[in-house]
Amino acid sequence: DAGITQSPRHKVTETGTPVTLRCHQTENHRYMYWYRQDPGHGLRLIHYSYGVKDTDKGEVSDGYSVSRSKTEDFLLTLESATSSQTSVYFCAISSDRGLLGTDTQYFGPGTRLTVL
Amino acid sequence: DQQVKQNSPSLSVQEGRISILNCDYTNSMFDYFLWYKKYPAEGPTFLISISSIKDKNEDGRFTVFLNKSAKHLSLHIVPSQPGDSAVYFCAATITGTASKLTFGTGTRLQVTL
Repeated sequence: DAGITQSPRHKVTETGTPVTLRCHQTENHRYMYWYRQDPGHGLRLIHYSYGVKDTDKGEVSDGYSVSRSKTEDFLLTLESATSSQTSVYFCAISSDRGLLGTDTQYFGPGTRLTVL
Repeated sequence: DQQVKQNSPSLSVQEGRISILNCDYTNSMFDYFLWYKKYPAEGPTFLISISSIKDKNEDGRFTVFLNKSAKHLSLHIVPSQPGDSAVYFCAATITGTASKLTFGTGTRLQVTL
């Protein structure tokens, strides 16, 4: 299994509070991603990173920010959590080869976030 | 607009029989497709992939077929085993776009004894 951990694994918080989720990898992969999984939607990309301090938005980025100060860590922050952000969040990593081809993404175990 | 669709939310198959999971896509720019398997309370795990230059890829009991003209792919599992019971996600991407994946909504497969 790819070395990906997520913390915390479960969190319950209240509307309006800030929340930070952490993804840590030991594979030295360049690309890291944050997805959310919701019933009826599958997994949707929130933000991704293609290197230290290099990030970009995904499909559902509103209300989320990210930071990557080290290759191994990718943080997802909800500045002011809302009930619509109750979801399961997955981090993924990939080595990607650009135009040479797509590399498989490997996923972490997920964080279940509940916003009351 | 859902660019990757899995129209069957669930499928039940007897052990030993073939399981066929279907996936349709609308974006003709997609050129690489993947299947992931997900157990409850775990992250998705990669199963098999196919490039648009192929129409079939096989790995043990798992075969993925791609029909580009119909924008359709399918995953065949033969023979199905109880341990295959999980949610299966189809995903698609465009080469050169940082491997960003667009997922379908998933199909829950139950393999019965």
